[in-house]
Amino acid sequence: GAGVSQSPSNKVTEKGKDVELRCDPISGHTALYWYRQSLGQGLEFLIYFQGNSAPDKSGLPSDRFSAERTGGSVSTLTIQRTQQEDSAVYLCASSLLAWTGELFFGEGSRLTVL
Amino acid sequence: KNEVEQSPQNLTAQEGEFITINCSYSVGISALHWLQQHPGGGIVSLFMLSSGKKKHGRLIATINIQEKHSSLHITASHPRDSAVYICAVDTGNQFYFGTGTSLTVIP
Repeated sequence: GAGVSQSPSNKVTEKGKDVELRCDPISGHTALYWYRQSLGQGLEFLIYFQGNSAPDKSGLPSDRFSAERTGGSVSTLTIQRTQQEDSAVYLCASSLLAWTGELFFGEGSRLTVL
Repeated sequence: KNEVEQSPQNLTAQEGEFITINCSYSVGISALHWLQQHPGGGIVSLFMLSSGKKKHGRLIATINIQEKHSSLHITASHPRDSAVYICAVDTGNQFYFGTGTSLTVIP
């Protein structure tokens, strides 16, 4: 596609529910990154993929968070049993190659946990 | 302990002024990124640096690897430059972000 696409753009959910956030990177970009930006806070790095592989998952905030990428393209970030502190904008970025290329960001998915 | 420190946190300038935003970091890096985020908007990558200096229009970014310091300069600032500027470093398997510099350029 022309740019990084994220969906949904907004998600309101109740505490305890599971949510899935989707990122569709720029075609041909092998690297994909997930970040989050909490209200009034800075950016926080969550995880990256090189192809379908996520070498380091230590940035995920808790074991309720998981991410996968299939076909070297679309990625989903899943949050199980959401908590209010999970409320944030979840951002995805892609680059041609991991750690060597310009980052292209999606518009983000705003998650609100009531 | 913050791996990336940015200054100033807030900056107000008159249109036409020369602006400098500073970034210091404490980790070994593969590259440093300068990002721009307009109010309510998405994030745009301005520069990716691993050494030296880059220029794009009125924007200039420099990095000193030995001193672990980078600067972002805006020449002839314009109200449309009003945004949050974020310094980010990548270590090859992790990103660290500064807290951002909120710039307001007054006409």
